[in-house]
Amino acid sequence: GNSVTQMEGPVTLSEEAFLTINCTYTATGYPSLFWYVQYPGEGLQLLLKATKADDKGSNKGFEATYRKETTSFHLEKGSVQVSDSAVYFCALNLRSGYSTLTFGKGTMLLVSP
Amino acid sequence: DTEVTQTPKHLVMGMTNKKSLKCEQHMGHRAMYWYKQKAKKPPELMFVYSYEKLSINESVPSRFSPECPNSSLLNLHLHALQPEDSALYLCASSQEGQHGELFFGEGSRLTVL
Repeated sequence: GNSVTQMEGPVTLSEEAFLTINCTYTATGYPSLFWYVQYPGEGLQLLLKATKADDKGSNKGFEATYRKETTSFHLEKGSVQVSDSAVYFCALNLRSGYSTLTFGKGTMLLVSP
Repeated sequence: DTEVTQTPKHLVMGMTNKKSLKCEQHMGHRAMYWYKQKAKKPPELMFVYSYEKLSINESVPSRFSPECPNSSLLNLHLHALQPEDSALYLCASSQEGQHGELFFGEGSRLTVL
């Protein structure tokens, strides 16, 4: 079956530190890959996406590259801010038409001043 | 307008009550979803409507009853819930041809006493 594995959290960083959150996937096909972010008390927001191998998704200083050879989609940011504190979910979708996202367990990021 | 709007934001109900959660989107999306999210967990898919027809029911207990009156509206009717049903209920929508990207609402936080 399809699955997404994320690194366990929480990830605790100081402001302006470099961030990496690892995500690997298993899929029977060629999925689209997503990073969603959930701020405290809110719903999920799409942070970035990539739909084919070697695509790089980017948004708000975050980046992730679709690596087919390593089945990975690691999230990176060069300099985190306190406002980046949230839970980050990696997800994949294989289906055309309506979506059937497979989520990772989520990684909580805590950034201190 | 790129929003999915959910009401109410908070709901407290007893086990004998009947209540409804409502969701609305005006992005012209033809698929709408209900997810359940427990604390510190990823969202779990409950129902998918595609073109106003129920396409997926993930073995959800009958005390949850979805309804899609038209392509912009999605309801979740609640009756005889249990305390373990307390959770954040998220509505989402998507458009075909967008690789499965979901647009989420802010959620309705349900507490069952």
